[in-house]
Parts: sequence; C-alpha cells; structure tokens
Amino acid sequence: GAGVSQSPRYKVAKRGQDVALRCDPISGHVSLFWYQQALGQGPEFLTYFQNEAQLDKSGLPSDRFFAERPEGSVSTLKIQRTQQEDSAVYLCASSLGEWESSYEQYFGPGTRLTVT
Amino acid sequence: QKEVEQDPGPLSVPEGAIVSLNCTYSNSAFQYFMWYRQYSRKGPELLMYTYSSGNKEDGRFTAQVDKSSKYISLFIRDSQPSDSATYLCAMSEEYGNKLVFGAGTILRVKS
Repeated sequence: GAGVSQSPRYKVAKRGQDVALRCDPISGHVSLFWYQQALGQGPEFLTYFQNEAQLDKSGLPSDRFFAERPEGSVSTLKIQRTQQEDSAVYLCASSLGEWESSYEQYFGPGTRLTVT
Repeated sequence: QKEVEQDPGPLSVPEGAIVSLNCTYSNSAFQYFMWYRQYSRKGPELLMYTYSSGNKEDGRFTAQVDKSSKYISLFIRDSQPSDSATYLCAMSEEYGNKLVFGAGTILRVKS
C-alpha cells in the first residue's frame, strides 16, 4: 500500500522567500508529525496533529514556522522569510491511532530544503 | 547535554559480524524505545520498539532496554552489507507523542 508521501522532494529557496511543504499521510492515520533533520543529526520534533487539531507545536523554532491540517488528512508546513539556518530535511510521519499506539510512526522520504 | 546520546560512528564491521549499537538517555519519563534505520536520502524506517525494560527479538535483531541504567541497545546478528545505514534510537514518554531521537550511528558492513 501507499506510504507517507511528501512534496516537493527538493526545494531551493532564496533567503527571505516563503516555502510550503506538503505531506500526504497514510490513509486513515489519525496522527501526523513534522520533524526537522539537520545534516548528521537525528530528527527533531516540530509539531503534532491529531486529525485536524494541532495538539503540540512546542518544537516549532520560531513564529516563521506554521503548520496546518485543515481536513485531518493532508498537512502543509509553511516557513516564512526563510533563513539559512532553516536548511534541513523536513520529515513527515503518520501513525494510526492516538496515545498508546502513537509510537508506531511511519515516515515519508522528506523534503530537502536548501536556503541560499 | 542532549536528552538522548548516541555515538555517531562510523562503525565498520565485516560481513557476518555481530553489531552492537547503543544509546543513553537522561529523561526517566521515557517509556517507549524505538530503533529506526535510515538509508541515505530516505526517511527513517521503524525496526523495533520496546515498552519499558526488557528484551525483544525479531529475526536477526534484538533490542534491549535497561531503564535502571538509562541505556538501550540494538544487536544485529550475521550482519549483511544491506544493513549498512544510519541507525537511530528514539524514545517517547508514556502517553506522550513526540519522539526524541539520538543523532544516529552510521554502520558500514563490508563484504
């Protein structure tokens, strides 16, 4: 079956531009997560949705980062006025249920963002 | 100091060797412990998870959790060149949702 898909796979933005990254989770998955992975590091949590509700956004590094999941399926991570330090791979993950089953997160291939 | 510490390697072993990968952590609230494998330019793939302390075996892979020492391990038996990847440990608090990852260990299995 189809896994988590992300688009675009690669994005080059000039400093100051806005970008939008898309995530299509596995069909029927309630929970959706965004992570940021810098080169040579493990993923770091950004934000979490349960259906359309954003339950945790404690990892968003600044108010330039915004995520939404308006219909409880597809999610978009938007970064305004991109800075060089935003260069990273942005990973989306989804999981089937809530709470106890949420540890089984399935990851997409990521979007590699390069800010020049 | 990071919540989860993991030696980045690289770890280079001959084909057929037993591989031991480890992480330490500081947050005693962690209850779920996972190992992910990540190939170059791919997303992490869940290998194993363990709830609380104990051992879990799945084919050539064995995961161990020692909560008293805040130490987790992944053992790979009869390692294959296809096992060459970055191995990430990850943890979460009970009823929490976010995963806290280690930096990942690069493993190279030479044929």
